[in-house]
Amino acid sequence: EAGVAQSPRYKIIEKRQSVAFWCNPISGHATLYWYQQILGQGPKLLIQFQNNGVVDDSQLPKDRFSAERLKGVDSTLKIQPAKLEDSAVYLCASSLVRAQETQYFGPGTRLLVL
Amino acid sequence: SQQGEEDPQALSIQEGENATMNCSYKTSINNLQWYRQNSGRGLVHLILIRSNEREKHSGRLRVTLDTSKKSSSLLITASRAADTASYFCATELYSGNTPLVFGKGTRLSVIA
Repeated sequence: EAGVAQSPRYKIIEKRQSVAFWCNPISGHATLYWYQQILGQGPKLLIQFQNNGVVDDSQLPKDRFSAERLKGVDSTLKIQPAKLEDSAVYLCASSLVRAQETQYFGPGTRLLVL
Repeated sequence: SQQGEEDPQALSIQEGENATMNCSYKTSINNLQWYRQNSGRGLVHLILIRSNEREKHSGRLRVTLDTSKKSSSLLITASRAADTASYFCATELYSGNTPLVFGKGTRLSVIA
C-alpha cells in the first residue's frame, strides 16, 4: 500500500513570496490533515478535510494560508505572502474516516523563509 | 492550548536499557495515541489505547493509561540505537470528530 505522498520535500523562498505544497493521501482515506511543525514542537493542525469538505480550520491563518481538496483526494496548501515565522515543516496526514483513528503521515515539506 | 504534555523533554539512555516517557492531558478522552518521529521525517503511529483500556503491548512497546490521573506512559524495553527519535502523545481536544492535539514530544537518544 502506497503511503502519503508530499511534494516538494524542501522549499526555500523569500518573505512575501508565495508557495504551494501538494499532498496525495492513502487511497480510500476520507480524512486529510495539514499540520505545521515548528522546530522543537509537536505538529499543530492547520486544517482537516473530510472528503472535500472542511471539518476544522480554526488554527489556519486565513489571511495568508489557504487549502483545498478538490474531488476529495489530493490537496494543496498555499501560503501567500509568506512570513519568516512560516518557516517550518508542513506535514500532510490521512486517516480512513475519523480523526481519532490512526493517522498516516507523509514525509513533510521543509519550508525556509528568508 | 496544549492538551498533551510529554515528560521528560529529553532522555538519554544506553542501548539495552528501558526508556519511559510520560504524557499528561487535561480533558476527558476517547483514546490516546503515541507517535514516533525520526529526524527529518514524518510521524509514524505506534499504538492507540482506548479510554476503557489500561494497558496495551506491541512488540517492545508497552503503553499504560490512567484516566483518573489523566496520564499515559510509553515504555520501550531493551532499547536500540534505532529507537532514537522524538515521541509524541496525541489526544483529542473533546469528544466527537475533532482533531488530535499533539504534545511537544520527548526526544529520546539511545547511545550504542
